[in-house]
Amino acid sequence: DAKTTQPTSMDCAEGRAANLPCNHSTISGNEYVYWYRQIHSQGPQYIIHGLKNNETNEMASLIITEDRKSSTLILPHATLRDTAVYYCIVDSSNTGKLIFGQGTTLQVKP
Amino acid sequence: DARVTQTPRHKVTEMGQEVTMRCQPILGHNTVFWYRQTMMQGLELLAYFRNRAPLDDSGMPKDRFSAEMPDATLATLKIQPSEPRDSAVYFCASGWVWSDTQYFGPGTRLTVL
Repeated sequence: DAKTTQPTSMDCAEGRAANLPCNHSTISGNEYVYWYRQIHSQGPQYIIHGLKNNETNEMASLIITEDRKSSTLILPHATLRDTAVYYCIVDSSNTGKLIFGQGTTLQVKP
Repeated sequence: DARVTQTPRHKVTEMGQEVTMRCQPILGHNTVFWYRQTMMQGLELLAYFRNRAPLDDSGMPKDRFSAEMPDATLATLKIQPSEPRDSAVYFCASGWVWSDTQYFGPGTRLTVL
């Protein structure tokens, strides 16, 4: 059973922020939220992960709600190269068994 | 810039033939994963290794698939005999035992005719 729910597709204008939502209402206390993306014909790429607090790195920001039932990945200034399928995954660290759902196809448009 | 490498990048073969795919994980990583991706099923985990020991291969068809890590720098996925339904992109990924951050290779695109 899928642990996360994501919209199938989204569009974003180039240069604008892309906000990708993810619902994970059954998340357990020890489960992290991971985001990966897959650009066409490439292997998935790790973006960011978090447990409770908001996180930021050079690629994106991750906002996790206080009840941890949902999160949002933010690409602050989307470029055409950010067009990809974005996967939200919840898992407890050290299992290694990432379950990839269908993800959100983000199309960044000029 | 350390990367996971996979060979071959493309493979076309006929039904019944043996196929071997190879993966070189990032040096120092102690977990290795094999995934398969198709349009219908998406990304599926086939097997994974920790410190070269197979931990879980429940996602893999046992009768024809086998995965091994003969040493820390090489992981192999073998299909014998291959079938058209095995046509897919096979990804290898590596990481550390304490983390679910995985680094994926470019994949092997397999076509079985």
